[in-house]
Amino acid sequence: DVKVTQSSRYLVKRTGEKVFLECVQDMDHENMFWYRQDPGLGLRLIYFSYDVKMKEKGDIPEGYSVSREKKERFSLILESASTNQTSMYLCASISGGGRYTEAFFGQGTRLTVV
Amino acid sequence: GEDVEQSLFLSVREGDSSVINCTYTDSSSTYLYWYKQEPGAGLQLLTYIFSNMDMKQDQRLTVLLNKKDKHLSLRIADTQTGDSAIYFCAESIVNQGGKLIFGQGTELSVKP
Repeated sequence: DVKVTQSSRYLVKRTGEKVFLECVQDMDHENMFWYRQDPGLGLRLIYFSYDVKMKEKGDIPEGYSVSREKKERFSLILESASTNQTSMYLCASISGGGRYTEAFFGQGTRLTVV
Repeated sequence: GEDVEQSLFLSVREGDSSVINCTYTDSSSTYLYWYKQEPGAGLQLLTYIFSNMDMKQDQRLTVLLNKKDKHLSLRIADTQTGDSAIYFCAESIVNQGGKLIFGQGTELSVKP
């Protein structure tokens, strides 16, 4: 019963390429989030979205943009990939949004920029 | 701003108890969470505690909350090799639509 699906498990891209990471959820959640995970730094929030066509910057938005054209799909875009964007990217869909929230995560995309 | 801190590594022997600690800063957090990440996978919610509780027990898991010190801990009794994973503490920011702030994650290694 897969709930949050990320389009790729592993990606290798060249410096300067435009990269699209796709995330789809089937739980009709309004809130979706993109995090990156790096050893020793935990999960850092890149962007989030509360509704279709809405987006908010997280803690580390530089070098990234997002797109939310449909409720179930939240895309992360690396405009011009750089080696310091090599990381594990995790998408989450969140139920609640009030006091109690539960995040459902995709399996992650490990991106390597060479 | 909001911040959640954890130690990075913990190593225990199979059968021992594990205690993973966490401190957080946002006193308005109504719920605090523990997530587990197994190798090669995303995170899954393990347990949570409501902020007006000081303890919650769920089978081998015990969560302790000291709201005054903003300290949260997760105790795993009779730790098994299958418990080896990264454990993340998280708090939800109520006035930001429940945005979750995660700690750095504690990598638990269980040795036979």
